[in-house]
Amino acid sequence: QVQLVQSGAEVKKPGASVKVSCKVSGYILSELSMNWVRQAPGKGLEWMGAFDVKDGDTTYAQKFQGRVTVTEDTSTDTVYMELSSLKSEDTAVYYCATRIWFGESLGDFWGQGTLVTVSS
Amino acid sequence: EIVLTQSPGTLSLSPGERATLSCRASQSVSRNYLAWYQQKPGQAPRLLIYDASRRATGIPDRFSGSGSGTDFTLTISRLEPEDFVVYYCQQYGSSRGTFGQGTKLEIK
Repeated sequence: QVQLVQSGAEVKKPGASVKVSCKVSGYILSELSMNWVRQAPGKGLEWMGAFDVKDGDTTYAQKFQGRVTVTEDTSTDTVYMELSSLKSEDTAVYYCATRIWFGESLGDFWGQGTLVTVSS
Repeated sequence: EIVLTQSPGTLSLSPGERATLSCRASQSVSRNYLAWYQQKPGQAPRLLIYDASRRATGIPDRFSGSGSGTDFTLTISRLEPEDFVVYYCQQYGSSRGTFGQGTKLEIK
């Protein structure tokens, strides 16, 4: 059974950085492409970027270019998303998510979400 | 980046009625790589439809997707009480995936 387990809630000050982890179990991390999506309180879903673990390719939404970095540690089956220069508008729940083909059907898996609060 | 516009923003219907949700893209979605998600309060989104019209595993057949190019539709044939939540479309045909702003389905 594929599971994505994220790190716990964080409180950061404006200008700081936050690093959220997403540990994968039940599948081989190196076969995955991991997406990061965030949701501000009471707002919609916002795609931040994707990281293809197999070939190391990363693609970020233009809005986050230069501020977000996604890395991986295949020895611990964990993907990390770091967001720098935090602003109050970055307060949101951050999700990791991936899709896996099982034969002809598609599985869609999400972490439980990590609340990041940016406040002075 | 492709911009997805969902309409209406809020849809007021009664249980048993049919719901039609729209998602329009600012440019053609490659290979109709368009998904629909349902999100309940406090939960991660749940995939309903992918590739515009393919139902995800375990999704009831009252949910269906259609459309191609720039215009896509999610139809819920007979609304159940648990269906009154928020729905998002997402395109994944370009290297940068984007979401629509969401449609809230509320009980009339």
